[in-house]
Amino acid sequence: EAGVAQSPRYKIIEKRQSVAFWCNPISGHATLYWYQQILGQGPKLLIQFQNNGVVDDSQLPKDRFSAERLKGVDSTLKIQPAKLEDSAVYLCASSPGAGTHNEQFFGPGTRLTVL
Amino acid sequence: AQSVTQLDSQVPVFEEAPVELRCNYSSSVSVYLFWYVQYPNQGLQLLLKYLSGSTLVESINGFEAEFNKSQTSFHLRKPSVHISDTAEYFCAVSGGSNYKLTFGKGTLLTVNP
Repeated sequence: EAGVAQSPRYKIIEKRQSVAFWCNPISGHATLYWYQQILGQGPKLLIQFQNNGVVDDSQLPKDRFSAERLKGVDSTLKIQPAKLEDSAVYLCASSPGAGTHNEQFFGPGTRLTVL
Repeated sequence: AQSVTQLDSQVPVFEEAPVELRCNYSSSVSVYLFWYVQYPNQGLQLLLKYLSGSTLVESINGFEAEFNKSQTSFHLRKPSVHISDTAEYFCAVSGGSNYKLTFGKGTLLTVNP
């Protein structure tokens, strides 16, 4: 079974530029998560999708971050414009469904450096 | 609200020594507890979880963790570590109706020969 795919693996941009990350979850997984992991900290949930609907985006900085999962499969996370403090690893995870404590399967992450 | 405290940011040990990685949590509701592991250049993987039942849970590679409600702890232990156990370990808690995971800051376990 293929795992969660993410691209790119690394990205370096200057502040005020825009960037987008892509995630393809495990086939059949209804729930998709985006996490931000700043160096020295644990992952922090940014947004959770159930199929193509948003379940939780309470910690997403909506003035600059946006995410979509149009067909309930793959997803993109965008930052526009980026700030220095956005430097982090962005993790995508998926699970079979919300509503139970399903295991979350994580992708390898995208390491973003904002200069 | 829920939170997780991992008391040690780094734990260096020698091969074949025992190890304990400490995790304490706080939550106002019943909790479910997890340990995830991140090997170098890889994504997070679930190591073990406590949902209900026996308070002692085990992983397939020799780790175990015990849920202690009175001490609000979920420490991870292994009686004899290998070089290949070198990784970062994250404790996480989930509770309430949204099943959201809250992670600790992680503990870097380094096993030296």
